Amino acid sequence: NAGVTQTPKFQVLKTGQSMTLQCAQDMNHNSMYWYRQDPGMGLRLIYYSASEGTTDKGEVPNGYNVSRLNKREFSLRLESAAPSQTSVYFCASSEYGTGRQPQHFGDGTRLSIL
Amino acid sequence: AQKITQTQPGMFVQEKEAVTLDCTYDTSDPSYGLFWYKQPSSGEMIFLIYQGSYDQQNATEGRYSLNFQKARKSANLVISASQLGDSAMYFCAMRGHGSGNTGKLIFGQGTTLQVKP
Repeated sequence: NAGVTQTPKFQVLKTGQSMTLQCAQDMNHNSMYWYRQDPGMGLRLIYYSASEGTTDKGEVPNGYNVSRLNKREFSLRLESAAPSQTSVYFCASSEYGTGRQPQHFGDGTRLSIL
Repeated sequence: AQKITQTQPGMFVQEKEAVTLDCTYDTSDPSYGLFWYKQPSSGEMIFLIYQGSYDQQNATEGRYSLNFQKARKSANLVISASQLGDSAMYFCAMRGHGSGNTGKLIFGQGTTLQVKP
């Protein structure tokens, strides 16, 4: 019953460092998403992958890249971390992009950039 | 453009009483879905309830129900018989079902609910 697994759970980086957030789902979902959550702003979409082999920008893509490695895995990369990227990052998946199916979320990655 | 507005940053409710969390939305899609998620202090996002724009009846899931008023573009969450474990942040979200939509959710700012014993 793993659902959506995110690693790491916590990370502290220095400005300019790079890192990759990992996400894997075991529900055979087609669509996967990366959000960031900042205080008072709800969740905002960074990138999404409607199906294996496709990725698209969301609302706040600047400073990030993604890779849909296979149907299960969708990673988020910060090439040169900036303090403005301090946030909680959530990965989510759903069977398809439409319909009644909810998105299932991972437990989040708390990222601090000094 | 799609937009979700939650105007109550914080709410208090007495244990065992009912509480309504407000959500208004704006969209040009003729077909869409509305979701409510709960985020406890531990941080995970828990799906609570879904309402489709063409559903004939308001959605219910246990103690959760939706007061869906399509003409007013509102989808308020009603929690009956509040419990201490209901203390959390609650998010309203919307997904368009029109062509070109790829399932991305638009979230409101959230409402923090505190249940008093």
